[in-house]
Amino acid sequence: DAGVIQSPRHEVTEMGQEVTLRCKPISGHDYLFWYRQTMMRGLELLIYFNNNVPIDDSGMPEDRFSAKMPNASFSTLKIQPSEPRDSAVYFCASSLGGGNIQYFGAGTRLSVL
Amino acid sequence: AQSVTQLDSHVSVSEGTPVLLRCNYSSSYSPSLFWYVQHPNKGLQLLLKYTSAATLVKGINGFEAEFKKSETSFHLTKPSAHMSDAAEYFCVVSGGYQKVTFGTGTKLQVIP
Repeated sequence: DAGVIQSPRHEVTEMGQEVTLRCKPISGHDYLFWYRQTMMRGLELLIYFNNNVPIDDSGMPEDRFSAKMPNASFSTLKIQPSEPRDSAVYFCASSLGGGNIQYFGAGTRLSVL
Repeated sequence: AQSVTQLDSHVSVSEGTPVLLRCNYSSSYSPSLFWYVQHPNKGLQLLLKYTSAATLVKGINGFEAEFKKSETSFHLTKPSAHMSDAAEYFCVVSGGYQKVTFGTGTKLQVIP
């Protein structure tokens, strides 16, 4: 398996623009997680899905952030409108079972100017 | 409630000397415990996992961790540090309801 695949690897955008980050989990995994990592706040869990259903989105910072998982092999994290403080590395991870090993993608480095 | 505390935000060791990264946890359930490593500009990678079998867990790259229930600790050790071990290390606890909690990370610096 190719592992968790995230795209794009780097995204540079201007404040106010819409940003969409994409994730393909490992085939067969039933949990998908979105994290944000910054120097100031470390690694933060934003939202996670089980069998494509959002279970806990309490980590989503505000309404500008939304996440979807239309099927078992694809998820998106959208920021609209983006702000400079959203600049971070966003990681997607998947696991088989909620408390088991999470496999991380390589991340998307987002810069909002 | 569930929590994990990594006691040191930064650890610096000389190459060839032992590594100790400390982690304490709190969980209302019999937890699973993990250590992940993140090299610069990379995603997180599993180092090792404890799930109530042997209390001494061996991982990749010569790392191991010992689960001590009486001390609620899961410290990560390695007998001899290598330059390639320089990275950030995360301790993770997983308890009931599939909840996973990450520690704040420990940055390991290895001095030549």
